[in-house]
Formats: sequence, C-alpha cells, structure tokens
Amino acid sequence: GQQLNQSPQSMFIQEGEDVSMNCTSSSIFNTWLWYKQDPGEGPVLLIALYKAGELTSNGRLTAQFGITRKDSFLNISASIPSDVGIYFCAGGNYGGSQGNLIFGKGTKLSVKP
Amino acid sequence: ETGVTQSPTHLIKTRGQQVTLRCSSQSGHNTVSWYQQALGQGPQFIFQYYREEENGRGNFPPRFSGLQFPNYSSELNVNALELDDSALYLCASSWTGGRTYEQYFGPGTRLTVT
Repeated sequence: GQQLNQSPQSMFIQEGEDVSMNCTSSSIFNTWLWYKQDPGEGPVLLIALYKAGELTSNGRLTAQFGITRKDSFLNISASIPSDVGIYFCAGGNYGGSQGNLIFGKGTKLSVKP
Repeated sequence: ETGVTQSPTHLIKTRGQQVTLRCSSQSGHNTVSWYQQALGQGPQFIFQYYREEENGRGNFPPRFSGLQFPNYSSELNVNALELDDSALYLCASSWTGGRTYEQYFGPGTRLTVT
C-alpha cells in the first residue's frame, strides 16, 4: 500500500537535544497529522495541521504544514527520555466521502548509548 | 470522556480460520476506521464506517469485512486467514461533520496466524 516518505528512519537523541524529522508525499493533502507510538500501544495524536504554511505547537513539539501541501515537519525541542518512541506522519484529504489517512513508515527515536 | 477500546488484546488463529475484532469508539465520535500495521511499518487503511455503511476502502481483499452498529461501535471480520494477516489491527474513531478530522486510535489487537 501507499506510504509517505518519512526521514530519518531512526535517530539517537541525547537528553536536551533538539530533534527534527520530515515527511514528504507525491500527493497533495489538506490535513497533516503527527502521531507517536510506544511499543505495544496504538498511535497517540500529537499535532493536527489543516492549512498550508501553518505552524502549530504542542508543548515542546512544533509541526509545520508545508507550503506545497506535499510535506510536513516535526521538531522536538530539548528532548527528554520519554520522547523515545516511533513518530508517524499521516496525510489525509477530508471533506469528501473518504476519510482515510496515509501514513509514513515512521521515525524511531532512541536514546544515545 | 471514554477513549477508544478494542478487544481482544491478543489473538492466535490458524490459517484458514475466521476472526472477529471489536472496537468501541470514543464518546462523541460517529466514525470508525480500521488499519492494519505490520511489524516495522506504518498503519495501512483497511476501511472506514460512517452511518453504519462502508465509507471508503483501502487495498484489501473482500475477505476483510466490517460492520458498524447504531452505538457507533464496529467489528472487523477476516475470513480465510492467511499467514500475512499477522499484524496489529488498529481501530480509530473520529467525528464526521465538523471542520477538523483527527483520528484517535485504540491500543490495537495483535493477531498472530500460524
């Protein structure tokens, strides 16, 4: 099935570092969502974006809806150990009859050894 | 506010068998979507139910079917199970009719087909 291009695939963080990840698509979306998934659990919604160019924050997390509507970015500032997990971007087009989300493969955040 | 719940948590089935997974939507939501998540992958859209009817379907064969009930809860049925059906099955609920379209996921059902 279709999946968005998400990068990096994995990264190691040290407490206090800033983290950046992005997601690109060949298709245009009118909605971008970012989720975090911990092992054995379902994805948890972090941020929702609905307008091209929009910048939205949720605590230490900031996400942007790309101007081209084909990409989105997520930044985490001053990372802490509980930020470890897998982050997924998801794009969708709402307002029509279908409401499916298309997900990336995820960016896995781990703690530096 | 009650979140999305799914049952069972884990399930082991044999190839060729049939399985039914259940989902209760978050209170205030009227739409349920089902996703399949293979190990190391992002969730893949199976289908969505709104007003008790299928409202969009991903690239899954007809042996994947579903139902939505008047209380907005939903079932996912898979017939003639194959080994590749082993995955985490996620249910997500949302509200159709507003200006936002956030989907909230349950904890998932881990299906193993042997």
